[in-house]
Amino acid sequence: GIQVEQSPPDLILQEGANSTLRCNFSDSVNNLQWFHQNPWGQLINLFYIPSGTKQNGRLSATTVATERYSLLYISSSQTTDSGVYFCAVSGGTSYGKLTFGQGTILTVHP
Amino acid sequence: SQTIHQWPATLVQPVGSPLSLECTVEGTSNPNLYWYRQAAGRGLQLLFYSVGIGQISSEVPQNLSASRPQDRQFILSSKKLLLSDSGFYLCAWSVGPGGNQPQHFGDGTRLSIL
Repeated sequence: GIQVEQSPPDLILQEGANSTLRCNFSDSVNNLQWFHQNPWGQLINLFYIPSGTKQNGRLSATTVATERYSLLYISSSQTTDSGVYFCAVSGGTSYGKLTFGQGTILTVHP
Repeated sequence: SQTIHQWPATLVQPVGSPLSLECTVEGTSNPNLYWYRQAAGRGLQLLFYSVGIGQISSEVPQNLSASRPQDRQFILSSKKLLLSDSGFYLCAWSVGPGGNQPQHFGDGTRLSIL
């Protein structure tokens, strides 16, 4: 199956800083999603981005499918951005069965 | 708009007891449905998925089973819980058929086995 690797595993920032999270995957995909898991465990959809670039406020994401990676950019970070960020992918005829990376734990200090 | 409901939010069960977790989706028809488990707060693992009523595929051999008695209802069960069944269980749905649509997750159930 598809392998998903996220980096860095942990990230500590001061409020206002920018950051880039990376997701590498081992095969072609037809679904790639970025999620934010908040301290209560809720998985919040950030982006559905199997290819291309999208932006939503202070967050943006880029997927370069031919090179098998995706990047999540967080600008002007806030304490509410803290939590775990997951990349998840599916490919082929997998009926959208997502394979998750191990996540990046982001801590934003005031 | 579509919504997904999971209950209960938390559950504490003794080893050897049965389990039933329920997930329902509103506002869509014939969705793909999924059960995931998250252990130790990192990485979700797909347990079961369903593309239609009565159609269940298992991804990981284990002590759990799933059923889909109605189009928008997905149930996770066990006859006898093990300590290793503890974890955070999440249900998800996506537009069917096929798999090229984003998945949307419920709020999850925290299951503790004593």
